[in-house]
Amino acid sequence: NAGVTQTPKFRVLKTGQSMTLLCAQDMNHEYMYWYRQDPGMGLRLIHYSVGEGTTAKGEVPDGYNVSRLKKQNFLLGLESAAPSQTSVYFCASRSLADTQYFGPGTRLTVL
Amino acid sequence: DQQVKQNSPSLSVQEGRISILNCDYTNSMFDYFLWYKKYPAEGPTFLISISSIKDKNEDGRFTVFLNKSAKHLSLHIVPSQPGDSAVYFCAALASGGSYIPTFGRGTSLIVHP
Repeated sequence: NAGVTQTPKFRVLKTGQSMTLLCAQDMNHEYMYWYRQDPGMGLRLIHYSVGEGTTAKGEVPDGYNVSRLKKQNFLLGLESAAPSQTSVYFCASRSLADTQYFGPGTRLTVL
Repeated sequence: DQQVKQNSPSLSVQEGRISILNCDYTNSMFDYFLWYKKYPAEGPTFLISISSIKDKNEDGRFTVFLNKSAKHLSLHIVPSQPGDSAVYFCAALASGGSYIPTFGRGTSLIVHP
């Protein structure tokens, strides 16, 4: 039981490049979330999903897109990366009656 | 505008003493509160929670106190241990809606041996 995993762990992009961050959970959780954490800031919600095939915007959705084609996976896409998207990205999942379980994070640097 | 505030970015405590981490909130709709602990290079992990129907919840060395009238909660760690050194995030949510916690900015706790 791996819990919540994130791929990749680290990535360096150039401005304008695109990439996809993958979050996978093996706990059969309905809800999945993408957060970003910046120095001195708390966790800010980017997008979330309440079930397979559904997504919704969070607090800071601009510049990101998401997809939840399979229940166990939640993908976060950056179509044209900007230096302001340099951050640590955390994925989380939860079942209806439980708290959130977080992945280990992806450290992204945009030059 | 921060709805959940952790006004102390850092806290330093001697091993064996009590650590008190504070959190204030402004949204009166919040009725469920959580504390998460985060080590470097790891994701946050759930520590303890409290519902607004209670004013105290205890789990081993960790106790959370809630003062609804002051919109204030605190996490007490007794006794503090070096392994408790981490960043602690306070989070709050309104349980009637979607489960979308609002996080504070965190307090970095250092417990000195």
